[in-house]
Amino acid sequence: SQKIEQNSEALNIQEGKTATLTCNYTNYSPAYLQWYRQDPGRGPVFLLLIRENEKEKRKERLKVTFDTTLKQSLFHITASQPADSATYLCALPSSSGNTPLVFGKGTRLSVIA
Amino acid sequence: EPEVTQTPSHQVTQMGQEVILRCVPISNHLYFYWYRQILGQKVEFLVSFYNNEISEKSEIFDDQFSVERPDGSNFTLKIRSTKLEDSAMYFCASSDRMKGNQPQHFGDGTRLSIL
Repeated sequence: SQKIEQNSEALNIQEGKTATLTCNYTNYSPAYLQWYRQDPGRGPVFLLLIRENEKEKRKERLKVTFDTTLKQSLFHITASQPADSATYLCALPSSSGNTPLVFGKGTRLSVIA
Repeated sequence: EPEVTQTPSHQVTQMGQEVILRCVPISNHLYFYWYRQILGQKVEFLVSFYNNEISEKSEIFDDQFSVERPDGSNFTLKIRSTKLEDSAMYFCASSDRMKGNQPQHFGDGTRLSIL
């Protein structure tokens, strides 16, 4: 079955630096990949979607890359701020091809002022 | 911006009792989902629903669970006889298309505590 791994449970960085989060997957070739943000006690909030034929996608200070050869996505937050502190979730469509999402466990990012 | 709303925010129930979790999806969305998240673990898919029927369900979604869209706005998840291991956050989500790479919009969840 498909497996998603997010490289670390927690990441601490200084304000103003670039945060880089990693999502690796196995046993699957998804047509797209999504990133969500989750704050404590809240539901996931959609951030970005990248398709298999796209190498990179940007939205304001966010950038996502998708390497289908390495089976990896990188999620970058540039000029990070304390308000960016949250858990970031990588999600893939299920192997059935429909859109029930399969989530990674997430990386908890803390941006220190 | 339209949002998915869930009630109640917290539900405490005795083991063996029935519980109904309620969701109001975004009004023009046609595809609805339930996910759960056990404390400290990842978000897990339970069931998807379209055109008044279940389109896909996971192994977690056994005979104890059912979903319903009783009217034009509500979407409910019922657990018939709750177990201790049903304690989790339950999230409802909706999207305007099933395929086509659409993001899903999540509510803020119902925290279900089984005693």
